[in-house]
Amino acid sequence: QTVVTQEPSLTVSPGGTVSLTCASSTGAVTSGYYPNWFQQKPGQAPRALIYSTSNRHSWTPARFSGSLLGGKAALTLSGVQPEDEAEYYCLLYYGGAWVFGGGTKLTVL
Amino acid sequence: QITLKESGPTLVKPTQTLTLTCTFSGFSLSTSGVGVGWIRQPPGKALEWLALIYWDDDKRYSPSLKSRLTITKDTSKNQVVLTMTNMDPVDTATYYCAHCEVDTSVARPFDYWGHGTLVTVSS
Repeated sequence: QTVVTQEPSLTVSPGGTVSLTCASSTGAVTSGYYPNWFQQKPGQAPRALIYSTSNRHSWTPARFSGSLLGGKAALTLSGVQPEDEAEYYCLLYYGGAWVFGGGTKLTVL
Repeated sequence: QITLKESGPTLVKPTQTLTLTCTFSGFSLSTSGVGVGWIRQPPGKALEWLALIYWDDDKRYSPSLKSRLTITKDTSKNQVVLTMTNMDPVDTATYYCAHCEVDTSVARPFDYWGHGTLVTVSS
């Protein structure tokens, strides 16, 4: 069974920069996995942030960026705002099937 | 403006079959590249992708749940239906439907989501 792994939790100071990563149990993550990133706040549905590795949706703030880093997909937040405190999920494509990561709880402190 | 809304029972008994309906607007499931998927989230836990149906009636399922799931579409009604058989208390979760769009080089899965519906499995 394919497993997608994220850091369980990260803490960042307001105005700082943080990178969240997404690893696959099958090996290095490439663009062919079409990495996606979602943000979820308590009591809300998830919100799409990044698709196909590095593309922002029209509503995604420019401080969110996606990339491939060291065999993993990465979501980098630059100039973190208090409202960025949330759970973040990555999503990878495995030839017809999609698999979510376990999520990273980002605390802004 | 794309919107999706999930509907169905809030409580089902163990062993019963769950039927959920996603009613959407702002797009057509007959448009090339468009799909609708289902995702669930047990209380306090991570998201789990369940199934996806595309404009051409191609259907994809989570390998771990494939034997229990069926996804269908009614293009004229702008609806997608998910059935899950043999429900168990571990299937208690918020079930979401979401819009998906793909083309030859880019995939935008689950860019628009419904609010979700909580389904509790209990006798």
